[in-house]
Amino acid sequence: NAGVTQTPKFQVLKTGQSMTLQCAQDMNHEYMSWYRQDPGMGLRLIHYSVGAGITDQGEVPNGYNVSRSTTEDFPLRLLSAAPSQTSVYFCASSYLGVRGGAGELFFGEGSRLTVL
Amino acid sequence: AQSVTQLGSHVSVSEGALVLLRCNYSSSVPPYLFWYVQYPNQGLQLLLKYTSAATLVKGINGFEAEFKKSETSFHLTKPSAHMRDAAEYFCAVRAPGANNLFFGTGTRLTVIP
Repeated sequence: NAGVTQTPKFQVLKTGQSMTLQCAQDMNHEYMSWYRQDPGMGLRLIHYSVGAGITDQGEVPNGYNVSRSTTEDFPLRLLSAAPSQTSVYFCASSYLGVRGGAGELFFGEGSRLTVL
Repeated sequence: AQSVTQLGSHVSVSEGALVLLRCNYSSSVPPYLFWYVQYPNQGLQLLLKYTSAATLVKGINGFEAEFKKSETSFHLTKPSAHMRDAAEYFCAVRAPGANNLFFGTGTRLTVIP
C-alpha cells in the first residue's frame, strides 16, 4: 500500500519560474491538504480539499494554486516562484471529520523546494 | 478556533532519562489531539491520538500522553529515552467534525549518550 506519494522530492527553481508539486493517495480519502514546514514555525496549512472539485484556502495560501479533479490527486502549483517559498512541502490526507473519529492525517515524505 | 502551543523548541535528555515534551491546547470544544514524530528527512508519523475514550493514551515506541482538561494540556512522556528517539515532535489539534489539523511549532529532542 503506497499511502501518500509526493513528487519530486527535491527541486531548485529560479525566481519567477513555475512548477507543480504532485500528490497522490490510494486510501480513498476525501480530505487532502498541503502544508509547508519552515524552521521554528511548525507546519502551516496552505490549501485543502474535501472532495473532487472542492478546494479552499488555509492559513498561508498566497502564491499557490490547487485543483482536485479526482479523489486521488491534489497538485500544488507555484505560478511565479519567490525565495520566500523556499520550504519543505507536505501533502497529507484523511477521511472527512464528519465521518466521526479523530481522523488523523497521513503524510507524504515531503518535497524540498529551493527558490534562488 | 483551535491552536496548540509547544513549550520548548529544543529539549535535551540523557539516554535512559525521562522524556517530557509539553503541549497546551486552546479550543472552545473538547478537541481531538495528536502527537506526530518526524525523523530527519522524513514525513510525519503518528505517535498517538486522544479521542476522548481515555485520558491516558499509549502510543508507539513506548510514548504516552495524558489529556488534562483542567490544565488544557496534552504532554508527551516516555520513561526512558533511547538514542533512536532523537527527532522532532509535533503536537496538533482538530475540532470534532472539522477537517483541518493545526500544528504547534515543534520540539526537537536530542538524546545524549
